[in-house]
Amino acid sequence: DVKVTQSSRYLVKRTGEKVFLECVQDMDHENMFWYRQDPGLGLRLIYFSYDVKMKEKGDIPEGYSVSREKKERFSLILESASTNQTSMYLCASSSPGGVGSYEQYFGPGTRLTVT
Amino acid sequence: GNSVTQMEGPVTLSEEAFLTINCTYTATGYPSLFWYVQYPGEGLQLLLKATKADDKGSNKGFEATYRKETTSFHLEKGSVQVSDSAVYFCALRRMDSSYKLIFGSGTRLLVRP
Repeated sequence: DVKVTQSSRYLVKRTGEKVFLECVQDMDHENMFWYRQDPGLGLRLIYFSYDVKMKEKGDIPEGYSVSREKKERFSLILESASTNQTSMYLCASSSPGGVGSYEQYFGPGTRLTVT
Repeated sequence: GNSVTQMEGPVTLSEEAFLTINCTYTATGYPSLFWYVQYPGEGLQLLLKATKADDKGSNKGFEATYRKETTSFHLEKGSVQVSDSAVYFCALRRMDSSYKLIFGSGTRLLVRP
């Protein structure tokens, strides 16, 4: 069974703290993604990675950075958390190979509250 | 640009009612289209997909047909159950992008017994 796991389901941090959100997939997927989900806005792409040490900015990268040192792990970093980063964060992975629709598999999400 | 527009929720139905959730898109070329479902407290799961015009995706009693002429991909189910209560997201993948999905804002469905 395919699996994407995220390190925490709920996280509470203070303004200005450095925050790490971890995501691990066991499907040997090349592509990994970080989204944030906010009511009325759907999912917005923060960053994605198409290979180890390779990354590209998504639609809303400001205030975030990412790290992908190993194929199975993709980390989202909030360098200095702010209250407007309170959100649900979703990690996903996909395989680019072959004919198909590049289905993305999602983790359960981390609900981050910044106070 | 590319975008997906969904009907606003919440949609509240009684069990065994007919469901339609509207989705329209704007994109160049022929994108692939998807419906994802998010059950309470969980991540998103792919519900169904269609990769070309007139394709019908189906799964778990849900169906959606890729209509190029109306740029739509409406989700339907003939008889909903309480267990279908969730948030439904329509999404597209552009043909010139192997990676990115563009999501609609989501529609919450609540099914009452």
